[in-house]
Amino acid sequence: GEDVEQSLFLSVREGDSSVINCTYTDSSSTYLYWYKQEPGAGLQLLTYIFSNMDMKQDQRLTVLLNKKDKHLSLRIADTQTGDSAIYFCAENYGKGGGNKLTFGTGTQLKVEL
Amino acid sequence: DSGVTQTPKHLITATGQRVTLRCSPRSGDLSVYWYQQSLDQGLQFLIQYYNGEERAKGNILERFSAQQFPDLHSELNLSSLELGDSALYFCASSGGLAGSSAYNEQFFGPGTRLTVL
Repeated sequence: GEDVEQSLFLSVREGDSSVINCTYTDSSSTYLYWYKQEPGAGLQLLTYIFSNMDMKQDQRLTVLLNKKDKHLSLRIADTQTGDSAIYFCAENYGKGGGNKLTFGTGTQLKVEL
Repeated sequence: DSGVTQTPKHLITATGQRVTLRCSPRSGDLSVYWYQQSLDQGLQFLIQYYNGEERAKGNILERFSAQQFPDLHSELNLSSLELGDSALYFCASSGGLAGSSAYNEQFFGPGTRLTVL
């Protein structure tokens, strides 16, 4: 079955890099995602990586995928106070042509001045 | 703004009642998804429709049902409501044909917060 785990909290200082980690169990996942949720808001798709890639960079965001260890990470460079939010990783479970996302518990990122 | 709209934003009702949540996907998106976010269960997939047909089903209770209409908007019906149904219900949509990269990019609406008293 599918299971996605994340640590619950991360606190960093403004200007530092943040690294949010995630482990997943379903090796058949095609895509792995990072979503951001700000207080009282919906989920914003930040970035995603195809399972045959090891790394993807998008401006301040770097996604690393270690398929052997089923480990996904999101690095945010030069973290700003506006990055404070909950970050969810998710895996795509596409059996039978469906497109179900299984989400982790979310990591609350707090950026301090 | 993701382009996905959901109404109403908030809904307060009593146990035993029935409610309908509405979702309009991004223009042209064929797939609509429903998710439930609660404190104890986290974010859970409920159901997916693709061009009017059910495509995937998750942990959706029998008291809940959904449909996608010819204009591609979707409704989630929740009946015999219980206190534990209080949650944030998200709709998401994705475009493209099944298997395309666009199909795998789900964009979420702002959610409907349901409170059952």
